[in-house]
Amino acid sequence: AQTVTQSQPEMSVQEAETVTLSCTYDTSESDYYLFWYKQPPSRQMILVIRQEAYKQQNATENRFSVNFQKAAKSFSLKISDSQLGDAAMYFCAYRSVYLAGGTSYGKLTFGQGTILTVHP
Amino acid sequence: SAVISQKPSRDICQRGTSLTIQCQVDSQVTMMFWYRQQPGQSLTLIATANQGSEATYESGFVIDKFPISRPNLTFSTLTVSNMSPEDSSIYLCSVDRQHTYGYTFGSGTRLTVV
Repeated sequence: AQTVTQSQPEMSVQEAETVTLSCTYDTSESDYYLFWYKQPPSRQMILVIRQEAYKQQNATENRFSVNFQKAAKSFSLKISDSQLGDAAMYFCAYRSVYLAGGTSYGKLTFGQGTILTVHP
Repeated sequence: SAVISQKPSRDICQRGTSLTIQCQVDSQVTMMFWYRQQPGQSLTLIATANQGSEATYESGFVIDKFPISRPNLTFSTLTVSNMSPEDSSIYLCSVDRQHTYGYTFGSGTRLTVV
């Protein structure tokens, strides 16, 4: 079974600065998807960025980018020019590509989450 | 991406009672997922619901406690039965739009059992 680990329970950053959130995962699969989700106090889960494992190029979405190291099974999120609205719980998540017998196809496995505080 | 309407947004229930949570999607989807998020913790998958078949439950979750219905491709319900304070959590539904590999979540139901 896959596992996802976020070793930073809490992080803080000054507004306009850059912060990196860490995520590692364990899998025996060669093809999969990785995601970062943001959950503000409203509880709404918001997709921040996703990465296909077969792509070597790191995904980028505006101020958000990832550092995907497949061999090291590492998937960190970098937030540039941090804004007050970035304050939230951030979850790293893993999704298998292929159906495996007896498992739930398409399910997400989440890390423990990192609470990000942005100071003005 | 899909838009999901999840109801109720929150509820306070007496122990021993049941609550049914509804999720309505604005377009047809193959699979719907139900997650539980206990206070201050991560999301854990309860079950996967496919239209026209029995839901598939994850280890630690049973149909008698969390019965799920999936009558069509746009709607699903999750019932939390015979509730105890340990069931106090946020419950979220989610869909995976085929071929996009992006997930959309409902706004969540905050359940408090007293």
